[in-house]
Amino acid sequence: EDQVTQSPEALRLQEGESSSLNCSYTVSGLRGLFWYRQDPGKGPEFLFTLYSAGEEKEKERLKATLTKKESFLHITAPKPEDSATYLCAVQGYSSASKIIFGSGTRLSIRP
Amino acid sequence: EAQVTQNPRYLITVTGKKLTVTCSQNMNHEYMSWYRQDPGLGLRQIYYSMNVEVTDKGDVPEGYKVSRKEKRNFPLILESPSPNQTSLYFCASSLAKRQDTQYFGPGTRLTVL
Repeated sequence: EDQVTQSPEALRLQEGESSSLNCSYTVSGLRGLFWYRQDPGKGPEFLFTLYSAGEEKEKERLKATLTKKESFLHITAPKPEDSATYLCAVQGYSSASKIIFGSGTRLSIRP
Repeated sequence: EAQVTQNPRYLITVTGKKLTVTCSQNMNHEYMSWYRQDPGLGLRQIYYSMNVEVTDKGDVPEGYKVSRKEKRNFPLILESPSPNQTSLYFCASSLAKRQDTQYFGPGTRLTVL
């Protein structure tokens, strides 16, 4: 059964303090691993897709990396506007077009 | 403006009273999906649709029905709602070849008493 576990559940950082969020996954044949950002009261917003181990994607202060068992979302010198819940999701070849989300990491950046 | 719309945004109802939450997208997307979001459980996929008249179960389909008669619309039907279906519901859409890049609606907060 496909599974996604995110850690930590919540993370509070000072502005400028870099850190990483973890997404561990179990899937029969990874079709893609996705990162989304969700602001309070809104729907998730797409950030990145990673397809194979070793792949990396960057966008502003965010960098996503992928291994065969987990993905990391690295946040470099974060700003208060980076505060949000970050969601990880996977799609496997064996589960057709089903998408499995993790429960998310709630990130708070203090000025 | 490219968007996914959901109606209603908020709904309070009673056990057993049939309801429909509508979802519409204006991007000509083939893939549409319904999720529910509960604290500590994250987003869970209820049903998805690859195109008109093609639907399939997600992880938590029990108690829900969907239909896809038109490409732009994907309504979620609760024929006999129960309190355990109280949740925040999101509709999403994407191109079939880019299911990673889903566009989400604003959400529908449903309370079943």
